Amino acid sequence: GAVVSQHPSWVICKSGTSVKIECRSLDFQATTMFWYRQFPKQSLMLMATSNEGSKATYEQGVEKDKFLINHASLTLSTLTVTSAHPEDSSFYICSASGGANEQFFGPGTRLTVL
Amino acid sequence: DAKTTQPPSMDCAEGRAANLPCNHSTISGNEYVYWYRQIHSQGPQYIIHGLKNNETNEMASLIITEDRKSSTLILPHATLRDTAVYYCIVRVQIFTNAGKSTFGDGTTLTVKP
Repeated sequence: GAVVSQHPSWVICKSGTSVKIECRSLDFQATTMFWYRQFPKQSLMLMATSNEGSKATYEQGVEKDKFLINHASLTLSTLTVTSAHPEDSSFYICSASGGANEQFFGPGTRLTVL
Repeated sequence: DAKTTQPPSMDCAEGRAANLPCNHSTISGNEYVYWYRQIHSQGPQYIIHGLKNNETNEMASLIITEDRKSSTLILPHATLRDTAVYYCIVRVQIFTNAGKSTFGDGTTLTVKP
């Protein structure tokens, strides 16, 4: 299957700082990317859907001003957690789709906010 | 997306077939059945998908009932490395934001020696 990468794989930051997570499709063009969050022992929760060149669509309850998503190219989407707090500590996973039936997931980014 | 129901956990002996059921009784005619698995602290891995017909690939087989209200993922010869959480998802094609995958709680499969 196609490869999706995320960077960094893990990050530790201080409360109040912003953190940017990158999601790249390495061998295909991703017209749609999804961002998920997963807390320990829970399932993945969809945060937002982004289409290249368009504003992201956020799920209910997800603050768009706190979780900034940019999908500026067909191979890159970024998620910026602004003014991070300990409750934002989680496993963030992106996925990318280049076609109707495809959805490939990245390896995830572990965020710890102190 | 249609809601899916899976048993929370299952055990399987190494080398035996693992049969993981999924109920999706409210599935719509244009919704596909997808299976993913997630090994601890990794991103989900695509396994297989289907619409109406049974499907097979190098990883698994997918059996969808004729009324499409349930399906079974079959790992023919389970290994210890197949221990993971298995998610069954139904969704339309990803053309718009409607084609998003909503994850339920999945089934934790434990393969035992």
